[in-house]
Amino acid sequence: DTEVTQTPKHLVMGMTNKKSLKCEQHMGHRAMYWYKQKAKKPPELMFVYSYEKLSINESVPSRFSPECPNSSLLNLHLHALQPEDSALYLCASSPPGVDEQYFGPGTRLTVT
Amino acid sequence: AQSVTQLDSQVPVFEEAPVELRCNYSSSVSVYLFWYVQYPNQGLQLLLKYLSGSTLVKGINGFEAEFNKSQTSFHLRKPSVHISDTAEYFCAGSSASKIIFGSGTRLSIRP
Repeated sequence: DTEVTQTPKHLVMGMTNKKSLKCEQHMGHRAMYWYKQKAKKPPELMFVYSYEKLSINESVPSRFSPECPNSSLLNLHLHALQPEDSALYLCASSPPGVDEQYFGPGTRLTVT
Repeated sequence: AQSVTQLDSQVPVFEEAPVELRCNYSSSVSVYLFWYVQYPNQGLQLLLKYLSGSTLVKGINGFEAEFNKSQTSFHLRKPSVHISDTAEYFCAGSSASKIIFGSGTRLSIRP
């Protein structure tokens, strides 16, 4: 298995909803990442997990809550989002000691 | 400041013509450099990477890039483009366990 998978592909949620994004990889990678990408912009780093521990939080609002239950899974819990949070959310992973990252296809999130 | 600069936001090219997408990096960015491609409504795919060794790096889909330390550049080239190369291309460098992305170049292919 040489890919990063993300579910769902699309998500529409209201500002009072609670939802979760899921990311999975079975490549033995020990670093996993969440990015937010707005249209016509590069991805912006949100969180980094290294060996299942949160190592970087890029001052992301608390309405985004990451979780890494095991070395293969990464979740992003969403609560009380704003319309400006609508974006493509990308997950990535990288092997130990290597800087290159492998990206999933993303979840297109729309907040109404 | 750590930065990766892509000098062109859009590059229109005729099909089967050669193309060069320009990228410059700041000296504070690690010399681990990457080019990623993003097709419409998809995630990012790694095209090629420079970690060390030969300065000419060959990637997938016929792309190659040349690392030039004196000019702090890592330009992407393809000798003959196809319609299927239409996409957004991101140059990136690594720094402190993060990837620093350039602003992206939209490659559009004219038939």
